[in-house]
Amino acid sequence: KQEVTQIPAALSVPEGENLVLNCSFTDSAIYNLQWFRQDPGKGLTSLLLIQSSQREQTSGRLNASLDKSSGRSTLYIAASQPGDSATYLCAVRYSGYALNFGKGTSLLVTP
Amino acid sequence: SAVISQKPSRDICQRGTSLTIQCQVDSQVTMMFWYRQQPGQSLTLIATANQGSEATYESGFVIDKFPISRPNLTFSTLTVSNMSPEDSSIYLCSVVNSNTEAFFGQGTRLTVV
Repeated sequence: KQEVTQIPAALSVPEGENLVLNCSFTDSAIYNLQWFRQDPGKGLTSLLLIQSSQREQTSGRLNASLDKSSGRSTLYIAASQPGDSATYLCAVRYSGYALNFGKGTSLLVTP
Repeated sequence: SAVISQKPSRDICQRGTSLTIQCQVDSQVTMMFWYRQQPGQSLTLIATANQGSEATYESGFVIDKFPISRPNLTFSTLTVSNMSPEDSSIYLCSVVNSNTEAFFGQGTRLTVV
């Protein structure tokens, strides 16, 4: 089974801190990997997409890396803000169009 | 990116009844996807909706329980039939662009009582 695991499940940090969210996957034959943000009771917002041939992608204060050989991806958030508080989901695409999701990391950034 | 509108955003339903969720996309897409997010769980793909053909269901999901319509290239509906409390979840519609980046609607939060 192609499993996706996110660690930690929950994280609380003070405003201004840099932080790293982790995602691991059991099958390294991925097509691409996508990070999403989900606010409480809401849908998903796409943050970053990394194709299998890429090592990292950046958008503003966010940087996502991909290491297929070790089955890992990290999402780095620089200078965290209270508005970053949300659940962050990692999703892996193999063949086909279905996404395999982790359970997410719930982030709280305190003022 | 694609703009996806889902209706309703939330609903509370009696067990044994059915609810139809609508998904509208601002551009034509070949495939639309329906996911379920049960409380505390990760998202799971229910089915892929193709225009002009039957939907393709993932293991564990059946057409009688989750009938899907796809009348054109911008619209789809998912019906949750004969509901039980175990169907209480967030249901999400999704599309994929030419770069295989996925986009999601705001979801429908369903509570079955």
